[in-house]
Parts: sequence; C-alpha cells; structure tokens
Amino acid sequence: EVHLVQSGAEVRQPGESLNISCKGSGYFFSTYWIAWVRQIPGKGLEWLGHIYPGDGDTKYNPTFQGHLMFSVDKSINTVYLQWNSLHLSETAIYYCARPGRPTDRFYGLDVWGQGTSVTVS
Amino acid sequence: QSVLTQPPSLSGALGQRVTVSCTGTNSDIGAGYAVHWYQQLPGTAPKLLIYDNNNRPSGVPDRFSGSKSGPSATLAITGLQAEDEAYYYCQSYDSSLRGVFGGGTKVTVL
Repeated sequence: EVHLVQSGAEVRQPGESLNISCKGSGYFFSTYWIAWVRQIPGKGLEWLGHIYPGDGDTKYNPTFQGHLMFSVDKSINTVYLQWNSLHLSETAIYYCARPGRPTDRFYGLDVWGQGTSVTVS
Repeated sequence: QSVLTQPPSLSGALGQRVTVSCTGTNSDIGAGYAVHWYQQLPGTAPKLLIYDNNNRPSGVPDRFSGSKSGPSATLAITGLQAEDEAYYYCQSYDSSLRGVFGGGTKVTVL
C-alpha cells in the first residue's frame, strides 16, 4: 500500500531553523513528484511547490521562493521542507502529497501525508 | 486571497443535490489546465475527490461528479449524505505553472 508518513509536530521560536520530512513507501519513490501544501489554522490550502525525487528538480511558488527549500534523500525515500529562519506567520500544518501518475506533477494529488504541525511562537 | 473563487459555504438537505462553483480566469482554468477537487474532513488531510475535471478515483462514490466550462468548474453532489459534510477545495494551475487553490467551501448537511 502506498503511504506518505511525515515527521512529528514542531515548536520553534521566530528566527530559528527547521527541517520536516516526508517518507514514501509502497511505490517507486523516484518517479513521482512530491508537492508541499500548507494550511494556516482555520484557513484554506496553499501551494508551496514541488520536488522530483528522481533528479531533485524543484518548482517553487514564487510567493514562497527564497524563504523555504525542498530537498531529497533518495536512499531513504524521503523529501524535506526546510526553513533557515521561521516567521510567526508560518504557523501552519504542512502536508506532502503525491500526484496519481508518475512524472506528471499536474495530476491530482491522490496520496497525502498526515500533516506536520509547525508552531512558531 | 485565493486565486480561484469558491463560495465560503452552502447547505443542503439530506438527499438533495448541491453544487460547488470554482471560478478562475483565462490565465488558469480558462487556459485549459485541469481542475481537481478535494474533500477535507475536520482534523484530517485532504482527499482527492475528482481529478482532471470529471474523473473519480477508485472508491469515490458516484454521487460526486465534476465539470468544467471555460474559466469555471463545478463539483456536484447528488443525494447528499450526512458524511458529505466537509470542506471542498478546487485546484488547478496558472500560466506560470504554479498550483492554485480555491478558498474552500464548507458544505453543511441539514
């Protein structure tokens, strides 16, 4: 069965760095894009961008580019979302999700991680 | 403010048909990009409901359907059930190939 399992909840102070993870299993990890989506408490979904584990190619939402970074470790089927300096406004739940077709980042996201709660306070 | 426009909320009686609209522009939905729909129950991750405008993933009841016309898309729920009470989000892409979401619609079952 296909799964995306995310790392646990985090609490950080403003200005601190953070790295959260998303581990895939049950499928050929390298051939499916992974999207990152955030949800501020009580608000809607926002698109942060994509990473392709096969070659590390990244596509960022211009709104967030330069402030966060995606990376991958193919050897352990894991992608990461990283911040060098967190802002209060980044308190949210962060989801990773996988499109339902290999190599197609525009396909519907049919597998989601359980979400990682990040609190900046 | 979300790129795609959805009504914040709507309600319907058990068994009724409801529709959720998603309005974009000629730079996103109207440019031909596919529309996907997600259902989110409280405290859970979103779930793919409709992909590529009008396709249902395996396991999604056939009372859910999607359509697209020009810069807009619609999610229809026929025979509304109590378990359909949730938030619904549309999603597409814009001309810079950035993913864009609607603001979400809370569907209440009366």
